[in-house]
Amino acid sequence: GESVGLHLPTLSVQEGDNSIINCAYSNSASDYFIWYKQESGKGPQFIIDIRSNMDKRQGQRVTVLLNKTVKHLSLQIAATQPGDSAVYFCAENALTDKLIFGTGTRLQVFP
Amino acid sequence: DGGITQSPKYLFRKEGQNVTLSCEQNLNHDAMYWYRQDPGQGLRLIYYSQIVNDFQKGDIAEGYSVSREKKESFPLTVTSAQKNPTAFYLCASSTGTGGETNEKLFFGSGTQLSVL
Repeated sequence: GESVGLHLPTLSVQEGDNSIINCAYSNSASDYFIWYKQESGKGPQFIIDIRSNMDKRQGQRVTVLLNKTVKHLSLQIAATQPGDSAVYFCAENALTDKLIFGTGTRLQVFP
Repeated sequence: DGGITQSPKYLFRKEGQNVTLSCEQNLNHDAMYWYRQDPGQGLRLIYYSQIVNDFQKGDIAEGYSVSREKKESFPLTVTSAQKNPTAFYLCASSTGTGGETNEKLFFGSGTQLSVL
């Protein structure tokens, strides 16, 4: 809704550049991670996921990197487009627990 | 929105009033969830249901109630006991087959609830 993302960290990138959005997760037992994209007034949309037995996974224009040593997750968006402007959330999950969502990062793409 | 329909899009609540948010899914998913979203915070789990006629409290269940009489439907009631109900409410579902929640969620488009 309109109230989403008022106080979020913001990443501003120029159209065509690559974007890197970072996320630090909290539970060393987490073994599944997801990135969601949320546009204003809409629900989160699944982008890409990765399990803990992998360090990297690629999708269409997106790559997720997982560093379990420092509990860090990143989302890389290649050739960022205006339509990529949104709030991006990471989520972590341990098998016996519920999904935990991060606070989100706002991505702004300018021409 | 992936076969999950939330209604209404906007809802206003008067003091002391209970209001119910609708969530329907046609994905044949077993598990359904309700989250609350406030500015600057991540999604917080209110209630979830892994199967019909069963549901569990999430992290912020106080002032809310749910029912799961049908697989397709998981309505959320915001009661008068919820003193700060203004938020964006998101319903989600998953297949429920990958352990408790070790799988991705599909979200509805949300309901913005405001207090008059």
